Parts: sequence; C-alpha cells; structure tokens
Amino acid sequence: QVQLVESGGGVVQPGMSLRLSCAPSGYTFSSYGMHWVRQAPGKGLEWVAAIWFDGSKRDHADSVKGRFTISRDNSKNTLYLQMNSLRAEDAAVYYCVRDPGTQFFYFDYWGQGTLVTVSS
Amino acid sequence: DIQMTQSPSFVSASVGDRVTITCRASQGLSSSLVWYQQKPGKAPKLLIYATSSLQSGVPSRFSGGGSGTEFTLTISSLQPEDFATYYCQQGNSLPVTFGGGTKVEMK
Repeated sequence: QVQLVESGGGVVQPGMSLRLSCAPSGYTFSSYGMHWVRQAPGKGLEWVAAIWFDGSKRDHADSVKGRFTISRDNSKNTLYLQMNSLRAEDAAVYYCVRDPGTQFFYFDYWGQGTLVTVSS
Repeated sequence: DIQMTQSPSFVSASVGDRVTITCRASQGLSSSLVWYQQKPGKAPKLLIYATSSLQSGVPSRFSGGGSGTEFTLTISSLQPEDFATYYCQQGNSLPVTFGGGTKVEMK
C-alpha cells in the first residue's frame, strides 16, 4: 500500500535552516508529482510547494519563495524541502503529499507529517 | 490566486442529521474542487475529487456537487465517525488554495 514517511522536523531558531525528507513506498515514485502542504498549530491547510514527476518544473508559495526549495531524487525515491531563513510563522506540521497526476492538482495520499518549531 | 471561502465555520449536528457545507471560489473552477476530512492529530484524508467523484473507500453518504464558483459537500446521514473538520481545495491552478475549514461538532 502507498505510504509517505516524512522526517527532518525539529526545533530551530529563527534564521536557521532545516531540510525535510519524505520517503514514499508502495508505488512508482518517479511517475507522480509531489507537493508539501503545511498546517500551523490550530490553523488550516496551506500549500507550500510542488514538483513535477520528473523534477522538470517546480513552484513555491509566495510566502516561502526565495527561502524554501522543493527537490526530488528519483534514484533514491526521496522528496525534499530545504528550508532556509526560517521564521516564527513557518512553524507548522509539514505534510508530504502525492498528486495523482490528473488535469487538476489534488492530493490522494498524505504522510503523517513532521513538526517544525521555530523558536528562540 | 484563487480564494476559497467555506461556510459555515462550525456545524453542530446529531447522528443521523443531513449536513451540507458550502465552498465558494473567487473565480470559476473547471470541476477542480476537492474535499478532505481531517480528524484531530491526523493527516487530512481525500473524500471527493473533481467536484463529485468519490475517492475509493469513502462511504456513499458523502457527496459533492456544484459548478462555477459554488460547491457543496453533503453528508446524507451523519455517523459518529464523521465528526471532524472538512476542507475544500481548488486544483485549477497553482497556488493550490484551501478553504478555511468547517468543524462538524456533536450537538
């Protein structure tokens, strides 16, 4: 069955960096687009970034553009989110999600999430 | 960016009730409306995609409808396991955007 397992979350100070990883299993990773979605404590869902199945295109939310970078290594079956210059407002649970690859963007499988805390 | 507005923000209902949640988009969507269910401490779960297509394994008491800028999620007969928060999402274009959520609480 499809599983997405995130790792790399933790407590960091403002201005520091963190790299999240996501290890999918149960399907052919290189055939699907992937995204990161986050949820601040007690708040709603916010899309963060997307990457096409082959890594040829990527896009980021304005709130993280220039600070976060989504990437993937299809040879290692791994999705990444490099987060630099972290701010207090970046504190959230970060979910790795799969896009089934239809004409629309949506998410059929979600990881369990990894918590990022930004605090001095 | 396409703004998504959900209403109501809270619903107080009993087992067996029919519950309808509305989602309005700031511009027309091409059937790209999606609904998720989230329970406390858990990741969201896909319920409905392409406005009205039920995800595999989702009970038939859930249904989606609408077009253009107004969409609905209906639970025909609320069950105990349906008390949760529901989010709509547009997938027409990036950035993907979500509604603010509707919490369905027990009356």
